[in-house]
Amino acid sequence: DIVMTQSPDSLAVSLGERATINCKSSQSVLYTSNNKDHLAWYQQKPGQPPKLLIYWASIRETGVPDRFSGSGSGTDFTLTISSLQAEDVAVYYCQQYYSTPRTFGQGTKVEIK
Amino acid sequence: QVQLQESGPGPVKPSGTLSLTCAVSGASISSSNSWTWIRQPPGKGLEWIGEIYHSGNTNYNPSLKSRVTISIDKSKNQFSLKVTSVTAADTAVYYCASPYDREVFDIWGQGTMVTVSS
Repeated sequence: DIVMTQSPDSLAVSLGERATINCKSSQSVLYTSNNKDHLAWYQQKPGQPPKLLIYWASIRETGVPDRFSGSGSGTDFTLTISSLQAEDVAVYYCQQYYSTPRTFGQGTKVEIK
Repeated sequence: QVQLQESGPGPVKPSGTLSLTCAVSGASISSSNSWTWIRQPPGKGLEWIGEIYHSGNTNYNPSLKSRVTISIDKSKNQFSLKVTSVTAADTAVYYCASPYDREVFDIWGQGTMVTVSS
């Protein structure tokens, strides 16, 4: 299984400031056949299912605000919220879809400082 | 708009069988390549349970493989999950999901809480 490890486990950021979440996979999730990283990011608010934010490591899902961005390749990835808004308080998960079983990071809780 | 809705009988006793169904509305179950079950224990992260393709082929998480069966009923436009020999560790919110327009889980049900307790 590919192990996904996120850091930090939690972070508190002031409104309008940048939030950065890291995700590391135990092996590369880059498919050389299509040159795409099979890495997604989700946002989960209390009592709700996860919501897809980013796929192919850096492609924003339709309707996701452009303050959310994804970067990285191979085994190291980052989700950045450029200017934290109150509605961004949530737990964020990375997930690899390079192989089965699909695996998720342990989650990063983002709060307002 | 495709929607998923989980349903199940409620609490399950230890050593019993957990059975859930995910109803697909707004589209044919054959319109997506695969359908998935994911669970989340209270206060914890997400665990992929397994998936079924519209062909009927399945993939399961090795950690659960011996206890899990996912099936599909095209006539009812739904798919199902069975987990046998449950313990308290199987207590979780169970989600159905699908990589519908993307190759990742872009559609999710609201989730259903299943408690294993005597």
